[in-house]
Amino acid sequence: GIQVEQSPPDLILQEGANSTLRCNFSDSVNNLQWFHQNPWGQLINLFYIPSGTKQNGRLSATTVATERYSLLYISSSQTTDSGVYFCAVDIGGNTPLVFGKGTRLSVIA
Amino acid sequence: KAGVTQTPRYLIKTRGQQVTLSCSPISGHRSVSWYQQTPGQGLQFLFEYFSETQRNKGNFPGRFSGRQFSNSRSEMNVSTLELGDSALYLCASRGSAEQYFGPGTRLTVT
Repeated sequence: GIQVEQSPPDLILQEGANSTLRCNFSDSVNNLQWFHQNPWGQLINLFYIPSGTKQNGRLSATTVATERYSLLYISSSQTTDSGVYFCAVDIGGNTPLVFGKGTRLSVIA
Repeated sequence: KAGVTQTPRYLIKTRGQQVTLSCSPISGHRSVSWYQQTPGQGLQFLFEYFSETQRNKGNFPGRFSGRQFSNSRSEMNVSTLELGDSALYLCASRGSAEQYFGPGTRLTVT
């Protein structure tokens, strides 16, 4: 089946720093989502981005479907950005989303 | 639109007991998926229901089961609880595109 790999697995940042999280996938996908899991366990939708670039405040995402990767950019990080970031891909055919193992981000004040 | 809701939010059970968790999807969503997340682990897919039928199933023992009702609400049941079943159980609903998660049920088995 399709493999979804996220890097880095762990990241520690000083407040105010920028970061880039990467999601590589091994086959063609119909869609891709980014989620943020906060320290209380809630998964928040960040982006639904099968291709192209989207921005939402300090966060932006780019998916290059032809090269099978997506990037999540976090600028001017804040302590509330801490948590785990997951990407998930939809390969179609009524199959469940396939998740990466996540990137654990810790932002230190 | 109301989001995905899960009840109860926290639960403590004893080994050998059974438990039922409930999930109400976003209105209009017909797909409900369940995931297990143990401490420090990723999301392990349990099963997905669509229009009252199990459409996909993960690699979990038969002690884990689920069902979906005609109003798309879903329940999952775990019988003969083991210590290793302690986890955060997440439900997600999906319409035609994006998947949205509920807040989860944190189950502790003692």
